[in-house]
Amino acid sequence: NAGVMQNPRHLVRRRGQEARLRCSPMKGHSHVYWYRQLPEEGLKFMVYLQKENIIDESGMPKERFSAEFPKEGPSILRIQQVVRGDSAAYFCASSQVGQGLNTEAFFGQGTRLTVV
Amino acid sequence: GQNIDQPTEMTATEGAIVQINCTYQTSGFNGLFWYQQHAGEAPTFLSYNVLDGLEEKGRFSSFLSRSKGYSYLLLKELQMKDSASYLCASPRRAIGTAGNKLTFGGGTRVLVKP
Repeated sequence: NAGVMQNPRHLVRRRGQEARLRCSPMKGHSHVYWYRQLPEEGLKFMVYLQKENIIDESGMPKERFSAEFPKEGPSILRIQQVVRGDSAAYFCASSQVGQGLNTEAFFGQGTRLTVV
Repeated sequence: GQNIDQPTEMTATEGAIVQINCTYQTSGFNGLFWYQQHAGEAPTFLSYNVLDGLEEKGRFSSFLSRSKGYSYLLLKELQMKDSASYLCASPRRAIGTAGNKLTFGGGTRVLVKP
């Protein structure tokens, strides 16, 4: 049973380029969460998605960032016109539906984005 | 809002015991998670407490006091492989659904020395 798969593991972009981060949840999981971890800081919630729906994007910056979870394929976190401050580790987590607040989330290995 | 505090770093000796404290202020309490994160790796689940008291799982135990807004993670018989960051996190219901989102503390980096 494969875990949460994220790719790429490392991504380098020049300022102004676009970054696309992919996440495939664990088999049987229909909830996907994206978190960002800045250097020397804790993880911060960005967005929560189910298939074809954004459920909660309260942690997502209003500009340049978008996320989707299409009916087929992985969830995508897209950052347009990247800036140096976007350099961080981006983690995806998945969980089963309707299991309550004690449901543990399973995390992927993360994508480390470096903006040069 | 939610606020979670934990020490930044702790050092301990192999074979010893270390206690990592976490204090929280949350609007509505829904339990507390502890995750372990090795450098460059994914956070992995250690424990979840929602009732007061101590939960033991092998060398790791987690304690919760809801009245004090306080939890700790106890690591016994420390091994070199326990060198990692330990993250305290509070779940909060995501808007409109059964899913939940986590608010993390800054993490405590534990260094185990021989």
